Amino acid sequence: EVQLVQSGAEVKKPGESLKISCKGSGYSFTSYWIGWVRQMPGKGLEWMGIIYPGNSDTRYSPSFQGQVTISADKSINTAYLQWSSLKASDTAMYYCARRLLQGVFYFDYWGQGTLVTVSS
Amino acid sequence: SYVLTQPPSVSVAPGQTARITCGGNNIGSKSVHWYQQKPGQAPVLAVYDDSDRPSGIPERFSGSNSGNTATLTITRVEAGDEADYYCQVWDTSSDHPVFGGGTKLTVL
Repeated sequence: EVQLVQSGAEVKKPGESLKISCKGSGYSFTSYWIGWVRQMPGKGLEWMGIIYPGNSDTRYSPSFQGQVTISADKSINTAYLQWSSLKASDTAMYYCARRLLQGVFYFDYWGQGTLVTVSS
Repeated sequence: SYVLTQPPSVSVAPGQTARITCGGNNIGSKSVHWYQQKPGQAPVLAVYDDSDRPSGIPERFSGSNSGNTATLTITRVEAGDEADYYCQVWDTSSDHPVFGGGTKLTVL
């Protein structure tokens, strides 16, 4: 069974750093890209960026370039999304999702989401 | 960058047909994908490549795409279909996915 399991909810203060994770199982991790999607409270889906765990090729949305870092460790089938200095406006649900390496341009499986709350 | 436009809301009575549109410049030349997001849950792929359904998605869900509008059609709507629906395409010029703003389907 294909699964993307994300790390648990986080409550942080502005200025703190954070790294959340997304662990894939039930499929060949290096046959798929892993994308990250933000959903702010009551709002729609926003694509943040995508990584190919096989060689860590990473692409960012211009809206998130420089604001977050996406990485992956293929040895443990895990992708990460991290912030060096959180802001209150980073409060949102974050989803990871997989996309087949080639020829497919949709996300067929999604993680359950990680809720990040940034508040002083 | 490429923009997808969806109506904020669509309402339909149980048993009727719901049509949710997704507008974009010459969207008919692109592959459109649809996600269903029920309250408090992660999105689920409902239709891909304009009109194909993943396993587990009822046949009541179908899609079409032509000209400047793609449409997700849900026949014999049930209370359990109440959700937000998002369309998505891949913008090949920027090599990025683009999501529509989402449509809230209300079952009356």
